[in-house]
Amino acid sequence: GDSVTQMEGPVTLSEEAFLTINCTYTATGYPSLFWYVQYPGEGLQLLLKATKADDKGSNKGFEATYRKETTSFHLEKGSVQVSDSAVYFCALSLTARGGKLIFGQGTELSVKP
Amino acid sequence: DSGVTQTPKHLITATGQRVTLRCSPRSGDLSVYWYQQSLDQGLQFLIQYYNGEERAKGNILERFSAQQFPDLHSELNLSSLELGDSALYFCASSVAPDERQPQHFGDGTRLSIL
Repeated sequence: GDSVTQMEGPVTLSEEAFLTINCTYTATGYPSLFWYVQYPGEGLQLLLKATKADDKGSNKGFEATYRKETTSFHLEKGSVQVSDSAVYFCALSLTARGGKLIFGQGTELSVKP
Repeated sequence: DSGVTQTPKHLITATGQRVTLRCSPRSGDLSVYWYQQSLDQGLQFLIQYYNGEERAKGNILERFSAQQFPDLHSELNLSSLELGDSALYFCASSVAPDERQPQHFGDGTRLSIL
């Protein structure tokens, strides 16, 4: 079935370090891909999305490129801040499945000053 | 602020009881999704409605049911509650059940079963 696999956390980085969170997916068809972020005690917020192969989503310094050949959607940021500490979820969606989101297990990021 | 409102924020109840969680979608959104977030299962899709009709079902227990009303708000009913039902329940909404449409999430209802 359709699924998303993320790198395990927690990930601990120093401020201004480079961030990569790996995400790969399995899907029948051509899904749209998303990164959501969950700050402590809050709901999920859409961080970025890509709806077709080779699309690059970007927002707040975060980027991810939809790679169909490697079925991946890795999240990157060049210089993290303490305020980026949160749990990050990679997800896919297929219209054929009603547009529901299928999430990875989440990766907790902790950024130290 | 996502524009999606969930009430109540917290619910504490006992095993065997029944509760109702409420969701008001973002203005203009016709599709509502319910998700369950727990430590062991992660984020799991439960059920989806579009313009009042059930559209898709996920791993939703028979003890759970939902509906979407003519004003587009939705309710998730959980009955015969068990300890394992303790979780964070999220509602999300989108304009349409289209994969390209992002879903906007509420802040969730935290359900604790004692």
